[in-house]
Amino acid sequence: GESVGLHLPTLSVQEGDNSIINCAYSNSASDYFIWYKQESGKGPQFIIDIRSNMDKRQGQRVTVLLNKTVKHLSLQIAATQPGDSAVYFCAEIINQAGTALIFGKGTTLSVSS
Amino acid sequence: NAGVMQNPRHLVRRRGQEARLRCSPMKGHSHVYWYRQLPEEGLKFMVYLQKENIIDESGMPKERFSAEFPKEGPSILRIQQVVRGDSAAYFCASSPRRGTSGITDTQYFGPGTRLTVL
Repeated sequence: GESVGLHLPTLSVQEGDNSIINCAYSNSASDYFIWYKQESGKGPQFIIDIRSNMDKRQGQRVTVLLNKTVKHLSLQIAATQPGDSAVYFCAEIINQAGTALIFGKGTTLSVSS
Repeated sequence: NAGVMQNPRHLVRRRGQEARLRCSPMKGHSHVYWYRQLPEEGLKFMVYLQKENIIDESGMPKERFSAEFPKEGPSILRIQQVVRGDSAAYFCASSPRRGTSGITDTQYFGPGTRLTVL
């Protein structure tokens, strides 16, 4: 089975709220994680990444948190906007073992005005 | 700097025909990855190529599927004798290198080719 997954398939928020999307992984050897955003009919768009030697990384309006103890990853979006509506995927790679990203099934974020 | 380009964006084939999907990586990128996405699913890795070499094809079906990345021109994913189960979105990603210490660079995705098999 898959080694990454998301806790909730859908998340609905109001414009301006903060959103938190969660992801659990099972392989303790995973050392690189990426969050992608996929809008309908488009390819995945890179949002932010984090390596296993870090526990937090911030971008513009987004923060990724990594808790290696419980193998949990989260994406926080501040002041969510309607344009943030999309499917969000977490992906991992086990650098020493492979070359491919392993994707979870995704969380659909719906932002209402 | 153009992103990853894929064509065609939509492809319709009848059962038994061949499908050829093309991917041009970002400028300066020499690593190409192909993924398949079924409806309501995440992406599944198929194959990883560098120029003229297949590095990892552990996700490729053993029959009917092949991939290449020639010295000149785009990467090609070829599906022979398509069946209805091949209907999916096929995404290509590229990265500039596989860096030192085995750390893989970020992969950037193209818009995908949506294959429909009638």
